[in-house]
Amino acid sequence: QVQLRQWGAGLLKPSETLSLTCGVYGGSFGGYYWSLIRQPPGKGLEWIGEIYHNGRTNYNPSLKSRATMSIDMSKNQFSLRLSSVTAADTAVYYCARGGGKSVERFDYWGPGTLVTVSS
Amino acid sequence: SYELTQPPSVSVSPGQTARITCSGDALAKQYGYWYQQKPGQAPVMVIYRDRERSSGIPERFSGSSSGTTVTLTISGVQAEDEADYFCQSADTSTTYSVVFGGGTKLTVL
Repeated sequence: QVQLRQWGAGLLKPSETLSLTCGVYGGSFGGYYWSLIRQPPGKGLEWIGEIYHNGRTNYNPSLKSRATMSIDMSKNQFSLRLSSVTAADTAVYYCARGGGKSVERFDYWGPGTLVTVSS
Repeated sequence: SYELTQPPSVSVSPGQTARITCSGDALAKQYGYWYQQKPGQAPVMVIYRDRERSSGIPERFSGSSSGTTVTLTISGVQAEDEADYFCQSADTSTTYSVVFGGGTKLTVL
């Protein structure tokens, strides 16, 4: 059974950089796209980006200038850095496993991490 | 970029059939997927590739597709089905990007 665990700072000030890491336990790490998805309080889901085991990435065009994803195959982990955060970046951030092809379904999700941006 | 449109809310009585639609140009070329999200929980995929039911999902959940619309049908709705439902597809026209619908709140009366 695949499990995703995630960790990162929960409170940031405006202009700081959000850093979130996701760990994958059980199942195969290679051969899948791994994504970050966020959900502002009371609102819908927004895809941030995905990364493949070879380091290939795709990003939401609206966040591409601020988002950077990386992967560590030795630790079965992937990470997100989102720069210059504002209050609009306040959301629950989810890690999720995609498919073997780019921009497919998400069959396993992490529990979510609430990130609040406030001065 | 593509958008996916869902009704904000659907209400049904227990035992009735609920249908939630999701429309968008992306669905003409890409599969649709459906997620159920209950308060305080992460989303759970219930339908993939338009009509395939995920493992462990009750048979009362089904999906269909026609043109630029996918539909999630819940037959014999139960109280436990009350949740938010999101559709998802992909925009591969210019950049590879995932698109979510705005979500539909299913209320079981």
